[in-house]
Amino acid sequence: EADIYQTPRYLVIGTGKKITLECSQTMGHDKMYWYQQDPGMELHLIHYSYGVNSTEKGDLSSESTVSRIRTEHFPLTLESARPSHTSQYLCASSADRGDNNEQFFGPGTRLTVL
Amino acid sequence: SQQGEEDPQALSIQEGENATMNCSYKTSINNLQWYRQNSGRGLVHLILIRSNEREKHSGRLRVTLDTSKKSSSLLITASRAADTASYFCAGLSGSARQLTFGSGTQLTVLP
Repeated sequence: EADIYQTPRYLVIGTGKKITLECSQTMGHDKMYWYQQDPGMELHLIHYSYGVNSTEKGDLSSESTVSRIRTEHFPLTLESARPSHTSQYLCASSADRGDNNEQFFGPGTRLTVL
Repeated sequence: SQQGEEDPQALSIQEGENATMNCSYKTSINNLQWYRQNSGRGLVHLILIRSNEREKHSGRLRVTLDTSKKSSSLLITASRAADTASYFCAGLSGSARQLTFGSGTQLTVLP
């Protein structure tokens, strides 16, 4: 069982609300990632971080933002949620040493925006 | 852009049979990884094969990699009902060293 946690697990919220999805890991990994996954579909990278104060956008454009103030914490924020943001959000981390980039995933947050 | 495409999209077999899933990718990779996802959960890393390797084993898992054809396969031998899950391949590539995931194969093992 990986030491990476996400809260909340499920969130149902109305349009226009600001939300923050939490992700934390206790493995001391430098690299962290956020993926968006619709049911039965592939994962799309939306944000990643190489370490503290580093954030980059992924392949899939997202209206969300992230921050990395501490190594273990990588929260994702939506300033104004919309129904199109309904999806599952998966957080992951990796040590990324050499060419071994095994990623450890949290359980995910399933977001529904009404 | 999608790095890996998996085939078949869904596979249903009887317990005890072998399950084979295939993955094709588009760009050069440093390594290729296979992950498993139970319904509504996060992914769990299964096995990694480097670009200079052709075959790798881990327990009931066997992975092959053919870089000339840009393809990989995952074989699960003597399947069990608990193997029911979605299986994703993911290629590591580029200077940014990102994993790009395929669309996954939904495996159902019937008891």
